Amino acid sequence: DTGVSQNPRHKITKRGQNVTFRCDPISEHNRLYWYRQTLGQGPEFLTYFQNEAQLEKSRLLSDRFSAERPKGSFSTLEIQRTEQGDSAMYLCASSSPGLAGAGVTKETQYFGPGTRLLVL
Amino acid sequence: DAKTTQPTSMDCAEGRAANLPCNHSTISGNEYVYWYRQIHSQGPQYIIHGLKNNETNEMASLIITEDRKSSTLILPHATLRDTAVYYCIVRGYTGTASKLTFGTGTRLQVTL
Repeated sequence: DTGVSQNPRHKITKRGQNVTFRCDPISEHNRLYWYRQTLGQGPEFLTYFQNEAQLEKSRLLSDRFSAERPKGSFSTLEIQRTEQGDSAMYLCASSSPGLAGAGVTKETQYFGPGTRLLVL
Repeated sequence: DAKTTQPTSMDCAEGRAANLPCNHSTISGNEYVYWYRQIHSQGPQYIIHGLKNNETNEMASLIITEDRKSSTLILPHATLRDTAVYYCIVRGYTGTASKLTFGTGTRLQVTL
């Protein structure tokens, strides 16, 4: 299967601990996104990479959150000093830009299965 | 990105067509309409997208009104496996960032 993969799929941690999630995008995709989804809500954008450059960060990404994509391939999302409010599904998506002419993008993002985090 | 409005929930009998509406009255000329769905506890799955012409693929059809202020996703023969939350998203091109802004979607329940 050549889709987006995420590890671990589930993580239970105690408040105050640090956690790290990994995302492996589709191999030819140079864009990578992180989203967070809480119960009953749609996914919310966190941050975005083009190759190894982090180009946009949401205000949801507090200073306890850090994301990296060191070689422009896989990415990691770390949460330091976890809080119970961090409990959510963390989703990764990847894409490659596709122009439809006149600068309008046809880019399609493909999502991984997500990492479900529970902070006790 | 333009805001979308979708019904909270819909039911459909298995084998019948499921027609999921979406209003996006503030859509601008270079914004695409995307549809994703999310089956319970899985990541969102891309379905289809379009700009102004109707689109069809192996999963669904997308009908966009001429004024582009609304659209309908059609699943021609719904099955129980189509039970999911369906998200209609309007997204423009901002040069570099092209995040998706999800609403709360429509929960489609397909029944026997």
